Amino acid sequence: GNSVTQMEGPVTLSEEAFLTINCTYTATGYPSLFWYVQYPGEGLQLLLKATKADDKGSNKGFEATYRKETTSFHLEKGSVQVSDSAVYFCALLTDSWGKFQFGAGTQVVVTP
Amino acid sequence: DGGITQSPKYLFRKEGQNVTLSCEQNLNHDAMYWYRQDPGQGLRLIYYSQIVNDFQKGDIAEGYSVSREKKESFPLTVTSAQKNPTAFYLCASSLDNWGINTEAFFGQGTRLTVV
Repeated sequence: GNSVTQMEGPVTLSEEAFLTINCTYTATGYPSLFWYVQYPGEGLQLLLKATKADDKGSNKGFEATYRKETTSFHLEKGSVQVSDSAVYFCALLTDSWGKFQFGAGTQVVVTP
Repeated sequence: DGGITQSPKYLFRKEGQNVTLSCEQNLNHDAMYWYRQDPGQGLRLIYYSQIVNDFQKGDIAEGYSVSREKKESFPLTVTSAQKNPTAFYLCASSLDNWGINTEAFFGQGTRLTVV
């Protein structure tokens, strides 16, 4: 079946540090890939997405590239802020599965 | 503004009682989903619906029930058969559940506590 694996958290960083959150997937068909962010006590918000191999999704300084050869969709940001503290979820959607599959989430804590 | 509305934000239930969580969307989306989130864990799919009057069990459907009588609404009932219902519940919708350009939109969640 389909699955998404994310690096475990929490990831603790200082402000302006470089952030990477690893995400790898297993899927049949040709999945679309997503990163969602969840702030405390809230629902999930779409951060970025990519729908085919080699696509790069980007938003608010975050980037992720769809790598079919390594089945990965790692999230990166060059300089994090305290306001980036949240839980980040990697997810996939395939037409053969018919619903979203989420990773376990990675908590990111950015300190001043 | 279009979006998904979950209510209530906080819900307390006595053991042995059924409770219903509301989810309404005005995005004209066909597909709707219910997820459960426990501390330190990811999202687990409870039920999903692709179209009105149709729904399928997800990974952890036992102790839950749903209905989809209207496109806009997908209420979740947590029954007394659910042994550990205390959790954060998230409702989501998408334009369809297999188009490659779709994405899921989430409500703000309902925190259910059994007292």
